[in-house]
Amino acid sequence: AQSVTQLGSHVSVSEGALVLLRCNYSSSVPPYLFWYVQYPNQGLQLLLKYTTGATLVKGINGFEAEFKKSETSFHLTKPSAHMSDAAEYFCAVSDRRGYSTLTFGKGTMLLVSP
Amino acid sequence: DAGITQSPRYKITETGRQVTLMCHQTWSHSYMFWYRQDLGHGLRLIYYSAAADITDKGEVPDGYVVSRSKTENFPLTLESATRSQTSVYFCASSALAGDPDTQYFGPGTRLTVL
Repeated sequence: AQSVTQLGSHVSVSEGALVLLRCNYSSSVPPYLFWYVQYPNQGLQLLLKYTTGATLVKGINGFEAEFKKSETSFHLTKPSAHMSDAAEYFCAVSDRRGYSTLTFGKGTMLLVSP
Repeated sequence: DAGITQSPRYKITETGRQVTLMCHQTWSHSYMFWYRQDLGHGLRLIYYSAAADITDKGEVPDGYVVSRSKTENFPLTLESATRSQTSVYFCASSALAGDPDTQYFGPGTRLTVL
């Protein structure tokens, strides 16, 4: 069975500061990993995903994540936070077993202060 | 309009009533999914469908029924609503089975069971 752990239900940063959202996963097979963002009263939008190849993945809005197999981690970063980044972020894992079902973490709310 | 839509966006019902949440996508995606989102739990998969007339249970299927007579529609029915089914429900779709394809999410339906 797969699982995803997101450390910290809330993360607060100042505008211009580094954003770091942590995600650790458990999977019995090489995983595919995803980060989604959810703005208030909206559905989820894909930020980035790791499948194979380069372990540093770049996504939309200046976000990136690095797959570290030895640490079973897929942390999301952005060098400089913007007020518009305030949202909830979800990490997800797929076991790639014929169905593209995703197992989500519980989410991290990113708060950005001026 | 193209994309994935859900209706209604908001619904209030009473315990014991039957409720159907609608999901419609215009991409002819093979896969469709229903999730519920609850505070502290993230998103949990209720049911998914690989194609018309093919459905399967997810993590939390009890109390829900789905059908998929047409590729573009995937309704979710609560046959006898309970207060524990108060939640935000998201429908999603993806293009290919077995591949790490992106799941596209609808805007959600906020359901309150009194």
